[in-house]
Amino acid sequence: QSALTQPRSVSGSPGQSVTISCTGTSSDVGGYNYVSWYQQHPGKAPKLMIYDVSKRPSGVPDRFSGSKSGNTASLTISGLQAEDEADYYCCSYAGNYAPFGGGTKLTVL
Amino acid sequence: EVQLVESGGGLVKPGGSLRLSCAASGFTFNNAWMTWVRQAPGKGLEWVGRIKSKTDGGTTDYATPVKGRFTISRDDSKNTLYLQMNSLKTEDTAVYYCTTGSELRFYYFYYMDVWGKGTTVTVSS
Repeated sequence: QSALTQPRSVSGSPGQSVTISCTGTSSDVGGYNYVSWYQQHPGKAPKLMIYDVSKRPSGVPDRFSGSKSGNTASLTISGLQAEDEADYYCCSYAGNYAPFGGGTKLTVL
Repeated sequence: EVQLVESGGGLVKPGGSLRLSCAASGFTFNNAWMTWVRQAPGKGLEWVGRIKSKTDGGTTDYATPVKGRFTISRDDSKNTLYLQMNSLKTEDTAVYYCTTGSELRFYYFYYMDVWGKGTTVTVSS
C-alpha cells in the first residue's frame, strides 16, 4: 500500500489554468478508471470534486475537469478564482483499499 | 439533512486505547458502507479503513499501518459507526473523519461525498 504522488504545490493567477498530476502504479491509478479528487480548505472537511476520473458531482463548477493517461491522473482547474485556493488530493480504487495522494497546495496569486 | 458527527477524540498515552464514534442521520445508515479517513497535523489525507453494510457481508478492510490495532464496527440500531483504536502510537495523532458516499456505486469505488467535521486524537506521553 503506497501513497500516490502529487506535486507539493502549484500556483496560478486568476483566470489562468493549472493542472495537478497524480501518479500511481498499474495496481491503482493505471489499473482502474476509478480516480477521484478532493478539495480541502484549511480547517474544513474534504469535498469531492471529481469521480470516475472525469465526472463532476452536482454543484461542482465545470471549471474543474479530470483526465487520466496510463498511471497518471490529472486535475485541471481553468479560469482560476480566489476561492479555488486550497489543498487538492487524488484518490484511487486499489481493490481492498484506497490510497490518497500526498496533496497539492494550490496558490492563487 | 445528511449528517455525520464524530466524537470520542482526546489525549491518550502511547500504548493506550480509544474508541471513536460517528453518529449518522438523514440517510439509510444500514445500507451504507462507511469509511474512516485521518489527517495528521499538517499532513495529507490517509484512508484508514471501511466497513460494508451487513447485507453486503459487513466485512472490513484496513490500511496496513493500522491493521491488527484498529477495529471498525457498526451498530445499525443506533445509526452509529465505531473505530476502536488499540496500541496507539504517536504517529496515530490525527483528525479522524467519518465518511461515506451518497450513491450505491460510490461505495464500491471509495468515492466519499459525505463527511463529518472530524474528531482529534492526540497520542502523547
